[in-house]
Amino acid sequence: GAVVSQHPSRVICKSGTSVKIECRSLDFQATTMFWYRQFPKQSLMLMATSNEGSKATYEQGVEKDKFLINHASLTLSTLTVTSAHPEDSSFYICSAERGRQETQYFGPGTRLLVL
Amino acid sequence: GDSVTQMEGPVTLSEEAFLTINCTYTATGYPSLFWYVQYPGEGLQLLLKATKADDKGSNKGFEATYRKETTSFHLEKGSVQVSDSAVYFCALSDRATGNQFYFGTGTSLTVIP
Repeated sequence: GAVVSQHPSRVICKSGTSVKIECRSLDFQATTMFWYRQFPKQSLMLMATSNEGSKATYEQGVEKDKFLINHASLTLSTLTVTSAHPEDSSFYICSAERGRQETQYFGPGTRLLVL
Repeated sequence: GDSVTQMEGPVTLSEEAFLTINCTYTATGYPSLFWYVQYPGEGLQLLLKATKADDKGSNKGFEATYRKETTSFHLEKGSVQVSDSAVYFCALSDRATGNQFYFGTGTSLTVIP
């Protein structure tokens, strides 16, 4: 089956620093990747849709200057949380769409803790 | 707009009990429907899906039938195991909205021996 990896799986950083999270599709090419945020005991909230070679589309209320998304290749998308603050602490999950099959394959998630 | 409404939990069952988690949806077009499972500390895993009305998705003993007339996609399993303890998310993907996914709020299931 389709495999999506995320790195790192867990990161702790100081307030004001930036953190980069990588999302890779390991065995397929993903023209579209998605970034979600999940708060404890809540559902996933779509943050942005990332298309290879073009600018990401952000959902309403998501600060594009704070959450920088780069989809440099068909197998890699990165999310950079800039000037992180404690309220950015969350579980970030990416997913990748294989072709137009409408099935999204999810990464294992990255838990970010900002002190 | 599109949305998914899912039965609230938490749900606690004894091993070998019958499981039903209700899910209903609203959609602009003709969506595909999914159930994802999330084990503690992990990401989401696709459990099953159905892409058109009357389709039945099944996997690992779980089943869900795409009911257009009732706009539902209820998840069922005849005999749950302790290893089924997880959070289950119902979701839809609608081409009319660019294949964006809409998730339900999740239902936590705990199966006790």
